[in-house]
Amino acid sequence: TAGITQAPTSQILAAGRSMTLRCTQDMRHNAMYWYRQDLGLGLRLIHYSNTAGTTGKGEVPDGYSVSRANTDDFPLTLASAVPSQTSVYFCASSPDWRGPGELFFGEGSRLTVL
Amino acid sequence: AQTVTQSQPEMSVQEAETVTLSCTYDTSESDYYLFWYKQPPSRQMILVIRQEAYKQQNATENRFSVNFQKAAKSFSLKISDSQLGDAAMYFCAYRSLLRDMRFGAGTRLTVKP
Repeated sequence: TAGITQAPTSQILAAGRSMTLRCTQDMRHNAMYWYRQDLGLGLRLIHYSNTAGTTGKGEVPDGYSVSRANTDDFPLTLASAVPSQTSVYFCASSPDWRGPGELFFGEGSRLTVL
Repeated sequence: AQTVTQSQPEMSVQEAETVTLSCTYDTSESDYYLFWYKQPPSRQMILVIRQEAYKQQNATENRFSVNFQKAAKSFSLKISDSQLGDAAMYFCAYRSLLRDMRFGAGTRLTVKP
């Protein structure tokens, strides 16, 4: 069972370049999320989507954009990368937004901005 | 705002012993859900255990159990009979019908053979 697939697994990017992290889920979940993980800070929400066609800002949205054209895909775009965006990025999904259930995570994408 | 605090950046335990990881949270809500996730070196986020705030009984999953103290806003994880495979980063998380999931900073657990 694939669950959530993220790509790429790892990437090194020059500052100022753009980058799209891909995320696809096969569980038909309504809600999807992007988190970034930084040492000492845990996971912080960047953007979310509670259903196809809608998106919202999380705790740390600046410098990132997302789209949700369909149920399965939720790409995260960095328009002009900066070194502070060096992090591990996790895509996650859940049946519903802000419900009682757990989040299901992808395996993460490690991004290094030089 | 809801915040989740894990005050122990690192913990260690001897194999076969018991260890408790601490978590406190701040909320004004009465109905919410608490989770412990495990992140081994593979980076995968794995759900260990969850607790509904309206349930008084502490959740258990095999060697993992929680001590949920709602009035104190405390949600600690106890790992019994620790195994080498338990070595990982552990994250406490909070979620509600009004709020997205929020995570603590994590506790890195080392298991000594």
